[in-house]
Amino acid sequence: EAQVTQNPRYLITVTGKKLTVTCSQNMNHEYMSWYRQDPGLGLRQIYYSMNVEVTDKGDVPEGYKVSRKEKRNFPLILESPSPNQTSLYFCASSKQGPYEQYFGPGTRLTVT
Amino acid sequence: EDQVTQSPEALRLQEGESSSLNCSYTVSGLRGLFWYRQDPGKGPEFLFTLYSAGEEKEKERLKATLTKKESFLHITAPKPEDSATYLCAVQAQGGSEKLVFGKGMKLTVNP
Repeated sequence: EAQVTQNPRYLITVTGKKLTVTCSQNMNHEYMSWYRQDPGLGLRQIYYSMNVEVTDKGDVPEGYKVSRKEKRNFPLILESPSPNQTSLYFCASSKQGPYEQYFGPGTRLTVT
Repeated sequence: EDQVTQSPEALRLQEGESSSLNCSYTVSGLRGLFWYRQDPGKGPEFLFTLYSAGEEKEKERLKATLTKKESFLHITAPKPEDSATYLCAVQAQGGSEKLVFGKGMKLTVNP
């Protein structure tokens, strides 16, 4: 089954404790991206990756890092999480560019 | 700065009552406009891509249209299962592969 998986689905952590949210796709897609979704603000892009060689910032990259060492995986790293990063995070992938993206089920992160 | 505005923010319809959702955008050249549907507790699901003014796409009871400044998602004779949040997003020209989403429009269709 074609899918994008994210782990963990739910995470409660404390300020400053480094964490990684994993994202994996099994569709051999080139493009992968991370978004955060907040009430009243909608879906905002954090980072995207055109392929394993190209990664670029979205609209809200501050406080986040990404890594694209292999085509199928695109982890999101929060080196020192803060409460304002409490949000619902989605990973997405598509064959090429931000067209017809497949979204993962989401990761709900709470930073206390 | 690229901007996407969706209206109304929320809409309640009776089953069978057709309506339209609006997505207006401000970008320095449009490469593509996208519609997604999001059910509660799930990730968005792709519906349509539109590239140029005048273009139309249809899927079941949904029809998306595009002008130079806005897009409409027309819902004909909606059913309760069409209840969801509908998201609009744009990609601007200029080499960036970034995507900008609107805040979404929550549609509720009552039986």
